Amino acid sequence: DADVTQTPRNRITKTGKRIMLECSQTKGHDRMYWYRQDPGLGLRLIYYSFDVKDINKGEISDGYSVSRQAQAKFSLSLESAIPNQTALYFCATSDSPRRGVRGGRGTQYFGPGTRLTVL
Amino acid sequence: QQQVKQSPQSLIVQKGGISIINCAYENTAFDYFPWYQQFPGKGPALLIAIRPDVSEKKEGRFTISFNKSAKQFSLHIMDSQPGDSATYFCAASMRSGRGSTLGRLYFGRGTQLTVWP
Repeated sequence: DADVTQTPRNRITKTGKRIMLECSQTKGHDRMYWYRQDPGLGLRLIYYSFDVKDINKGEISDGYSVSRQAQAKFSLSLESAIPNQTALYFCATSDSPRRGVRGGRGTQYFGPGTRLTVL
Repeated sequence: QQQVKQSPQSLIVQKGGISIINCAYENTAFDYFPWYQQFPGKGPALLIAIRPDVSEKKEGRFTISFNKSAKQFSLHIMDSQPGDSATYFCAASMRSGRGSTLGRLYFGRGTQLTVWP
């Protein structure tokens, strides 16, 4: 979805390096999320933010930190990258949920992903 | 522990056949059950979703069947096509109530579907 962009799209780094992944959205959504995807493990939530001042840990936050610089920007940092952080990382956005089904608020819109390799 | 369990991990179906993916959950507070579809090199995108007050939701060739008492739901793809080859994720969330879990999606581990021509 072009409304959610991620940079970089691919990154190779070395163990111990600090790296930042960035996400921007033009959908005007309050909520933003960071997931990582690993084969056989699906999508696991790292951090999520309901607004600029509200940040919550997900299932696997250890080794990661985030910054919500503005409503439209949400960055994920790996302070000291390690090889088992090699994965596909997705940013997503959503509006607040309400009772509704398809297309209702609460639907998450994903970016194209960042493939990160830690050597 | 995993909030939503999905099976099978992979599925191979002949063109024109029916693809069935199953999911189960434990938390009775879940009140919204979406399915996301992911093509290679892309992010997941919402395919179809259901609320627990209905037992079935159909959109074209895609149908969700929901069994509230068994806490199970499934995706059926009728007349499966090679273009349906993708990874499918079921998910669950709470759309009512308060707190930091409101609206958060809990995903299954995904099913990689391959439809042979």
